[in-house]
Amino acid sequence: DAGVIQSPRHEVTEMGQEVTLRCKPISGHDYLFWYRQTMMRGLELLIYFNNNVPIDDSGMPEDRFSAKMPNASFSTLKIQPSEPRDSAVYFCASSSRGLGNQPQHFGDGTRLSIL
Amino acid sequence: AQKVTQAQTEISVVEKEDVTLDCVYETRDTTYYLFWYKQPPSGELVFLIRRNSFDEQNEISGRYSWNFQKSTSSFNFTITASQVVDSAVYFCALSEDSGAGSYQLTFGKGTKLSVIP
Repeated sequence: DAGVIQSPRHEVTEMGQEVTLRCKPISGHDYLFWYRQTMMRGLELLIYFNNNVPIDDSGMPEDRFSAKMPNASFSTLKIQPSEPRDSAVYFCASSSRGLGNQPQHFGDGTRLSIL
Repeated sequence: AQKVTQAQTEISVVEKEDVTLDCVYETRDTTYYLFWYKQPPSGELVFLIRRNSFDEQNEISGRYSWNFQKSTSSFNFTITASQVVDSAVYFCALSEDSGAGSYQLTFGKGTKLSVIP
């Protein structure tokens, strides 16, 4: 079975540009999560969806960040406008039957560099 | 608020040595879940194990073993006869109900394990 697929693997762009990260969860998984990993703050949950509906977006740093899940097989995380401090590795993960008692399966991440 | 502490930032061992990675957590819930993830140098996050708060039985999987002790709020991870391929950052994580059926997953800062040949 295919795992969680993220694209692009690497993104380098200039400050002020719009950045869109993409994720395809594992088929049949009802939950999708977006994380950010930095040296300073470690792994942070940004937002998660259940059945395509955002459940908790309290981790989204500010209004420049937005996430959508138009269908069960696709989600995007958008940053507009991007800033150098957004540079990080962004992970998407999916799981079945909830965040609490099922493991999350992670994609390979998108390494984002904002110049 | 929930919290996960991995006090060991970096550990180096010589191949074939045993090594234990510590994880201490804080939670007010009686129902919660603990996880360990491995992040090798290639960067992906690999799920290793999940335990629920009602199951304190220790678990062994090959060279890996986990010691869950509610009395000390610890969920330690031991690698026996370490190998170079075990070199990675290991994350402990805690999940508890944050209300209205929503769960929060909190990761520790991670422990970087280097196994020297």
